[in-house]
Amino acid sequence: GAVVSQHPSWVICKSGTSVKIECRSLDFQATTMFWYRQFPKQSLMLMATSNEGSKATYEQGVEKDKFLINHASLTLSTLTVTSAHPEDSSFYICSASPLGRLATETQYFGPGTRLLVL
Amino acid sequence: RKEVEQDPGPFNVPEGATVAFNCTYSNSASQSFFWYRQDCRKEPKLLMSVYSSGNEDGRFTAQLNRASQYISLLIRDSKLSDSATYLCVVNIFSGGYNKLIFGAGTRLAVHP
Repeated sequence: GAVVSQHPSWVICKSGTSVKIECRSLDFQATTMFWYRQFPKQSLMLMATSNEGSKATYEQGVEKDKFLINHASLTLSTLTVTSAHPEDSSFYICSASPLGRLATETQYFGPGTRLLVL
Repeated sequence: RKEVEQDPGPFNVPEGATVAFNCTYSNSASQSFFWYRQDCRKEPKLLMSVYSSGNEDGRFTAQLNRASQYISLLIRDSKLSDSATYLCVVNIFSGGYNKLIFGAGTRLAVHP
């Protein structure tokens, strides 16, 4: 149990295009989902925390107009990288915290999405 | 100063060796602590939580020293399959909610 999927697993796009990444909890409901970014040889950095039905909370330095997050249901959150540029190339990972559990104490991670912007 | 600091390694050890990783954190209000394992180009997976009393899971032992803001992980009888990056993770309350802060990881390579 407690499986989180991400789609796509990798994407290559041209500079200026927008890319949508989906994060789904397959066998549980998640009130809270988290979006992270990891550059090579660096730590996972939390970008934003998203709660179902409300606006996401972004970390300092993360542009909310560039990284649009939608958490429309208890099993789906999406991250859209708008007008992507080469510096946005990274490994994007989501995690989900089950309904009823203390968020961050129990997080299940998706397999990640590799984004390469040319 | 980084919130969670780890020696990046790599630690190159033979099978059967004992290896220890250290981690320090800067926020004294940190509430809970974890070790995660991340394989190359994969997502992190929870290895174990870390408690002040120390805890053990098979060949893995974790220790927490709140006074020194120091966390450790000891791996005994290393296996080839232990090769991975080990992430020290701290849960803090910031900006009105809890969040996980990840260290950059310590790379372990176990060789035959």
